[in-house]
Amino acid sequence: RKEVEQDPGPFNVPEGATVAFNCTYSNSASQSFFWYRQDCRKEPKLLMSVYSSGNEDGRFTAQLNRASQYISLLIRDSKLSDSATYLCVVNTPTGNQFYFGTGTSLTVIP
Amino acid sequence: EAGVAQSPRYKIIEKRQSVAFWCNPISGHATLYWYQQILGQGPKLLIQFQNNGVVDDSQLPKDRFSAERLKGVDSTLKIQPAKLEDSAVYLCASSLFPGVLEQFFGPGTRLTVL
Repeated sequence: RKEVEQDPGPFNVPEGATVAFNCTYSNSASQSFFWYRQDCRKEPKLLMSVYSSGNEDGRFTAQLNRASQYISLLIRDSKLSDSATYLCVVNTPTGNQFYFGTGTSLTVIP
Repeated sequence: EAGVAQSPRYKIIEKRQSVAFWCNPISGHATLYWYQQILGQGPKLLIQFQNNGVVDDSQLPKDRFSAERLKGVDSTLKIQPAKLEDSAVYLCASSLFPGVLEQFFGPGTRLTVL
């Protein structure tokens, strides 16, 4: 079983739509969780960390469900500029290593 | 603040040749990572350094890949000999501390093995 699993998509949504991505992780002892964004042919960049209580940054909301071992990312009022691949990242219980999901591709359509 | 620097940006070689990539992390970042990202996949960790020591190299194909960070600052990753399946983007990242804080990525080196 992979450490981190994501639905690769692609997700094609119209501008203004709300879209949600889920990501499951296999190790229940994992401690840190992140969402990274990767534009085409660019390097990944941190979008947001995911806290146990959930957190929001503008149109983006991240949540953690430890019981079911998944994290989610919700994007409200999608913009054309949100088109990218969204990578779920989970660290090992020792805290020393990150595992990346395969990424979920999002295209926001005018 | 300067970001993570990598060179070269692109490299095309034939199989069985050797290639080396260079990375200079953000100043003061003790932890350095090398990732391999194959098209359509997420980055896969190859090796992680803490200062000049190796923390994890469990996914590094040691028969052909090697990496060093001799002075605890910049790092090189070498492939010798290259195979077709090594075609990928090689990303270097750094962070202040391992595992918990944000990683900052360099632009990557796109390797094509013919």
